[in-house]
Amino acid sequence: EIVLTQSPATLSLSPGERATLSCRASQSISNYLGWYQQKPGQAPRLLIYDASNRATGTPARFSGSGSGTDFTLTISSLEPEDFAVYYCQQRSNWPHLTFGPGTKVEIK
Amino acid sequence: QVQLHESGPGLVKPSQTLSLTCTVTGASLRRSEDFWSWIRQPAGKGLEWIGRLYPSGSTNYNPSLKSRVTMSVDRSNNQFSLKLTSVTAADTAVYYCARESSLPPNFFDYWGQGALVIVSS
Repeated sequence: EIVLTQSPATLSLSPGERATLSCRASQSISNYLGWYQQKPGQAPRLLIYDASNRATGTPARFSGSGSGTDFTLTISSLEPEDFAVYYCQQRSNWPHLTFGPGTKVEIK
Repeated sequence: QVQLHESGPGLVKPSQTLSLTCTVTGASLRRSEDFWSWIRQPAGKGLEWIGRLYPSGSTNYNPSLKSRVTMSVDRSNNQFSLKLTSVTAADTAVYYCARESSLPPNFFDYWGQGALVIVSS
């Protein structure tokens, strides 16, 4: 099983600041990683797929990078609606899919 | 617009079977490019993929749950279902159904709103 770890667990930032979230895989997963945003009481929303491709409707301030075992989600300038929990998900071990434990981006 | 909606009992007794149905509108379960999954999330915790249903009716399950999970499809009503047997308090969670698209491949682009299932006597 491929295990994903995310850091930090919580990121405290102010609107307008840059957010950098990390996801690390227990073994190489090429670029087969996606990122989701989840707000309280809502289902997750796909933001990024295959490490760096924005999903339909994802604002340009969200960008993804990385390959192998280390991946980053960057939010260039935090908007009020960006404060949420972010999960990474790998598809390298398809058909078995796994998620990371999440990073909460909270208002400082 | 693709929409998914989970339905089923919100309270299940320990050792009994959890049953949920996902009704899909705006997409056909017969479409070969799409797969359909169940994912769960205990309160305050992360996401766990439970299993996948293919248009053919075949399935994949999370190895950690495989012995207790069954997924099936009702094409006439464009619904698919989840059964989880021998539940315990650890199975208390919000259960989501979701579409796993071919583009982007193997990521979940549409989700239901989630159904809270509590396991308690």
